[in-house]
Amino acid sequence: AQSVTQPDIHITVSEGASLELRCNYSYGATPYLFWYVQSPGQGLQLLLKYFSGDTLVQGIKGFEAEFKRSQSSFNLRKPSVHWSDAAEYFCAVGYSGGYNKLIFGAGTRLAVHP
Amino acid sequence: GAVVSQHPSRVICKSGTSVKIECRSLDFQATTMFWYRQFPKQSLMLMATSNEGSKATYEQGVEKDKFLINHASLTLSTLTVTSAHPEDSSFYICSARIGLAGDHMGETQYFGPGTRLLVL
Repeated sequence: AQSVTQPDIHITVSEGASLELRCNYSYGATPYLFWYVQSPGQGLQLLLKYFSGDTLVQGIKGFEAEFKRSQSSFNLRKPSVHWSDAAEYFCAVGYSGGYNKLIFGAGTRLAVHP
Repeated sequence: GAVVSQHPSRVICKSGTSVKIECRSLDFQATTMFWYRQFPKQSLMLMATSNEGSKATYEQGVEKDKFLINHASLTLSTLTVTSAHPEDSSFYICSARIGLAGDHMGETQYFGPGTRLLVL
């Protein structure tokens, strides 16, 4: 069965520090992979997505993610975190079958220290 | 582009009443809309998949008679929580997908801002 694992429930970094949020997936074929961000009480905003091609994808707000098939990972990175990046981050995998539903990871809550 | 709205943003109702939540794609036509439920500090749980002009497909464990979904047009889907009870209190989020399955751009889901339901 398809699944998404975000091993880190909560991460705290200092403003200006680099960030890496981990995401591992389980899926039999090449997945569609997404990172979304959710601010408190808000919906989800798409940060970036991977469908095919270049395994390093650039997103909004200075985020990037790298698809590594051998590790079944799609980790999110940012070289320098801003206080406004504090939010909940969800990794999701889309899969064929029916109408291409998304399976979400449990989320990683990011706190940023000034 | 790809903006999805939800109305209302929050609603408080009495136990036993029904509540309707609207999800609209504002600048695109959505062949498929999805309804999710999110409990505090948890991930999103897919409730159902809604296609324009056809019956919604519900996930296992979701009561279709309690959560009525109507997708009357390519820009509007509604979720009605019937005979709401306190355990139905939650954050409900919809998403909309552009295009058809197999189209890479169409695989992206765009999310609404969510509706917080409180049943007293």
